[in-house]
Amino acid sequence: DAGVIQSPRHEVTEMGQEVTLRCKPISGHNSLFWYRQTMMRGLELLIYFNNNVPIDDSGMPEDRFSAKMPNASFSTLKIQPSEPRDSAVYFCASSWAGFPRGEAFFGQGTRLTVV
Amino acid sequence: KQEVTQIPAALSVPEGENLVLNCSFTDSAIYNLQWFRQDPGKGLTSLLLIQSSQREQTSGRLNASLDKSSGRSTLYIAASQPGDSATYLCAALNAGGTSYGKLTFGQGTILTVHP
Repeated sequence: DAGVIQSPRHEVTEMGQEVTLRCKPISGHNSLFWYRQTMMRGLELLIYFNNNVPIDDSGMPEDRFSAKMPNASFSTLKIQPSEPRDSAVYFCASSWAGFPRGEAFFGQGTRLTVV
Repeated sequence: KQEVTQIPAALSVPEGENLVLNCSFTDSAIYNLQWFRQDPGKGLTSLLLIQSSQREQTSGRLNASLDKSSGRSTLYIAASQPGDSATYLCAALNAGGTSYGKLTFGQGTILTVHP
């Protein structure tokens, strides 16, 4: 398996534009996490899904952020409209949520810069 | 709410030293605890996973222990090398309460091994 695949790797956009980040989890994994990493706040969990269903989105900073998982092999994180304070590295991770719970594997991240 | 703390925040050692990184968590209701490595500008690489029923896991020069009742895990690195220089993060997969299913990270320990 190629691991967790995220795209794009880098995104530079202007304030106010819509940004869509994409994630393909590892085949067979049924749990998916979206994280944001900054120097100031470290790794923050934004939302996680089990079996394509959002379980907890309490980490989503505000209504400008939304996430979907239409099927087991694809998820998106959308920011609309984007703001400079959204600049960060966004990571997607997947794992097996059966018993026993499996390792979480991370993608390489998307570095987002909002100017 | 689960909180994960890592001590020390930074560590600088000469090559060849054995060292211990510490991780503590406030809620012992966890499925597992995972140690990751992150190189600058890169994603997270899984090092070791310890299930809640296990006491330790070993991989090469790395040994991780788990004491769930006291809320502690340690990562032991034997005979450190300059290539071990990175940020090390621990994460607890929560099994109950308001953090159920969440993978909660510590802030990391920045390790520098100098020749």
